Amino acid sequence: QVQLQESGPGLVKPSQTLSLTCTVSGGSISDNKYYWNWIRQSAGKGLEWIGRMYASGTTNYNPSLKSRVAISIDTSKNQFSLNVNSVTAADTAVYYCARVPSAYDAFDIWGQGTMVTVSS
Amino acid sequence: DIQMTQSPSYVSASVGDTVTITCQASEDISSWLAWYQQKPGKVPKLLIYIASNLQTGVPSRFSGSGSGTAFSLTIRNLQPEDFATYYCQQGISFPFTFGPGTKVEIK
Repeated sequence: QVQLQESGPGLVKPSQTLSLTCTVSGGSISDNKYYWNWIRQSAGKGLEWIGRMYASGTTNYNPSLKSRVAISIDTSKNQFSLNVNSVTAADTAVYYCARVPSAYDAFDIWGQGTMVTVSS
Repeated sequence: DIQMTQSPSYVSASVGDTVTITCQASEDISSWLAWYQQKPGKVPKLLIYIASNLQTGVPSRFSGSGSGTAFSLTIRNLQPEDFATYYCQQGISFPFTFGPGTKVEIK
């Protein structure tokens, strides 16, 4: 079955860029029935949707983060990535990648999550 | 942004009980509501989508209802593995938003 796996550094310095990759296995990221999302969870803000991307390249972002966030996709590697620039301690969270079927806007498959701490 | 609220924030219940959690949206979201279960240190798991559709593999003791701004998740015959935190999420407009969660604990 389809599985998602996040990877990337667990510690990022303030003002630098947080970069994470989600590898999709057991299915194709190019499947137009799905789109690919990033979500984060922190004690202070709960679950927060960051943004999503279709394999076609269409993106949607949370306005609260839009100026600092970019999601990209690499269909040849079956991966999609998240960059958050100018990070602060408020960006410390568990970051999840997740799949959404285009037929309904709910997150049906999640990666295991990766903890990212912003600290000098 | 559409604000999602949940009540209660905490419920204490016993095995075999029926528990109902409510979720309120700040504006009409039709039926674009999902429910998730999260256990400590684990990944959220989709239980219900489009307000009342049971995700494949989820036990039938879970059910969802509602439309517009008011929704509920009911767990009948509560089992030990059901003690967790439950979140609602709206999927009608960006940004998708989640409720703050309801923790179901063992009495």
